[in-house]
Amino acid sequence: NAGVTQTPKFQVLKTGQSMTLQCAQDMNHNSMYWYRQDPGMGLRLIYYSASEGTTDKGEVPNGYNVSRLNKREFSLRLESAAPSQTSVYFCASSLIGASTDTQYFGPGTRLTVL
Amino acid sequence: AQSVTQLGSHVSVSEGALVLLRCNYSSSVPPYLFWYVQYPNQGLQLLLKYTSAATLVKGINGFEAEFKKSETSFHLTKPSAHMSDAAEYFCAVSEISGANNLFFGTGTRLTVIP
Repeated sequence: NAGVTQTPKFQVLKTGQSMTLQCAQDMNHNSMYWYRQDPGMGLRLIYYSASEGTTDKGEVPNGYNVSRLNKREFSLRLESAAPSQTSVYFCASSLIGASTDTQYFGPGTRLTVL
Repeated sequence: AQSVTQLGSHVSVSEGALVLLRCNYSSSVPPYLFWYVQYPNQGLQLLLKYTSAATLVKGINGFEAEFKKSETSFHLTKPSAHMSDAAEYFCAVSEISGANNLFFGTGTRLTVIP
């Protein structure tokens, strides 16, 4: 049982390049999330997917797109990377998306945009 | 919008001493509250959560937190610090109604001195 997995672990991009961060969970969870973590700012929600086939914006969605490919997978795409998107990105999942649910986090992707 | 404030971005304690990490929330309606821990280069892991049952919540690794409505607080404590407790701790809040969207505090880095 791997839990939540993310690829890649590290990535360096040049300004304007695009890339997709991959996330998969094997816990049969309905809800999935993407966060970014910046020094001194905690984690901020980018997008979430309450269930397969639905996605919604979080607190900081600008510059990102997401795809809920199936129940297991939720990808985050940067179409034209900017230095302000340098951050650590975490994917998380929860069972049904209820307010009391525990979220389970992946190990993160450290992204640097030059 | 929900928010939490964590007082003290860095806390140092001696091994065996009491650990106290502070968290205050701002909401007219008591929310659900969570403490997560992040070890170096890892994702976040749930320590404990308050979901309006008992106000004193016990978590993993000997940690506990007490929900105090009158003080809008949810401070995390551990009677005796261990070297393995060195990590970053995040308080988070989710609304009682609505999706399982967490709003995180800015985190407190705990250092344990041998």
